[in-house]
Amino acid sequence: NAGVTQTPKFQVLKTGQSMTLQCAQDMNHNSMYWYRQDPGMGLRLIYYSASEGTTDKGEVPNGYNVSRLNKREFSLRLESAAPSQTSVYFCASSSTPGQGATNEKLFFGSGTQLSVL
Amino acid sequence: EDQVTQSPEALRLQEGESSSLNCSYTVSGLRGLFWYRQDPGKGPEFLFTLYSAGEEKEKERLKATLTKKESFLHITAPKPEDSATYLCAVRKIQGAQKLVFGQGTRLTINP
Repeated sequence: NAGVTQTPKFQVLKTGQSMTLQCAQDMNHNSMYWYRQDPGMGLRLIYYSASEGTTDKGEVPNGYNVSRLNKREFSLRLESAAPSQTSVYFCASSSTPGQGATNEKLFFGSGTQLSVL
Repeated sequence: EDQVTQSPEALRLQEGESSSLNCSYTVSGLRGLFWYRQDPGKGPEFLFTLYSAGEEKEKERLKATLTKKESFLHITAPKPEDSATYLCAVRKIQGAQKLVFGQGTRLTINP
């Protein structure tokens, strides 16, 4: 099973460039998430999608946009990259939080390491 | 403000030397506390969920416990393959979609 697949694995951008990070899950999960991970800061939620057709802001949404393309795919877009967006980005999915223990846990992709120069 | 704090930041142990990692939390209305393991260059991998004070979960050499203010991840007789960063996260009753993560504890087990 592939689980959660993220592309690309590595990316270098110049300040002001735009790019889209892609994420797909094959577990038929309702909820999908985008996190960023920075040294000493832990994982911080950027955006999430509770179900197909809905998206909501997390802790650090500024400078990002998301699209829940269908149940499987959730993309993260940087319209005008800034050095402060240098980070490792993780996509995750889960069944339906709040509806039972088996639905609570998040499954993560392997991450995208992004550098903005 | 909701906070999750893990200690220590880093821990080095000899193989077979047991210890504990701490996760203290300040949240209003805890729904659940989660432990994840993260290997270098990979995404976090789920270990345990704890829902109520007094609850314990075990998996191989790991045991997680929960009180009203903190959780411990006990590691018994660790092996080098247990080396990883261990992350703690909490989910609130209100806003159940969001997990708030601690900074993690980087554990190194020397042979």
